[in-house]
Amino acid sequence: KAGVTQTPRYLIKTRGQQVTLSCSPISGHRSVSWYQQTPGQGLQFLFEYFSETQRNKGNFPGRFSGRQFSNSRSEMNVSTLELGDSALYLCASSLGLAGGQSYEQYFGPGTRLTVT
Amino acid sequence: SQKIEQNSEALNIQEGKTATLTCNYTNYSPAYLQWYRQDPGRGPVFLLLIRENEKEKRKERLKVTFDTTLKQSLFHITASQPADSATYLCALDMNRGSTLGRLYFGRGTQLTVWP
Repeated sequence: KAGVTQTPRYLIKTRGQQVTLSCSPISGHRSVSWYQQTPGQGLQFLFEYFSETQRNKGNFPGRFSGRQFSNSRSEMNVSTLELGDSALYLCASSLGLAGGQSYEQYFGPGTRLTVT
Repeated sequence: SQKIEQNSEALNIQEGKTATLTCNYTNYSPAYLQWYRQDPGRGPVFLLLIRENEKEKRKERLKVTFDTTLKQSLFHITASQPADSATYLCALDMNRGSTLGRLYFGRGTQLTVWP
């Protein structure tokens, strides 16, 4: 099975611009989660999508948004970029099916975003 | 406030010894706890999952314990090898019947195993 893929791997943007990151989950996985990782804050949850619906959202401003397509691929968008948005953005997929169970998450390699 | 603390940011041990990593949490009641390994420049990789009603779980040289009274999980790597050097993350899953679909991660412990 192919793993989780993320594009692009590296990105340099200027303050005020917007950016779109893409994630392709493992085949058969319908849950896609996005995380931001920085040295200061560690891994922080952004949001999770399941079957094109956002099921959960972390404590990030509205500039961070996402969506999921019918083939489970997901994108996240950050508008009006700030210097503090520089981070490694990780996408993770899982089965995420029935409630009451815990599913391991399979992470992609991440997109390294640098805002100058 | 809610907190997940992993013992010292860095742990250095000699090859062949047992590495013990600690994950403490406050103000959470996780139903599950997961451990991940992360190498530089890569995404985390799942290692083990333990349920709240399980005391211990093993996989090859790895062992994890979960004490809901102490609000603590211990992660052990026996007969450690230099290849075990990485950052290890604990993650709490509060899922109790609803499909929450999110994990709360600790900051990680960077383990270095020297020959």
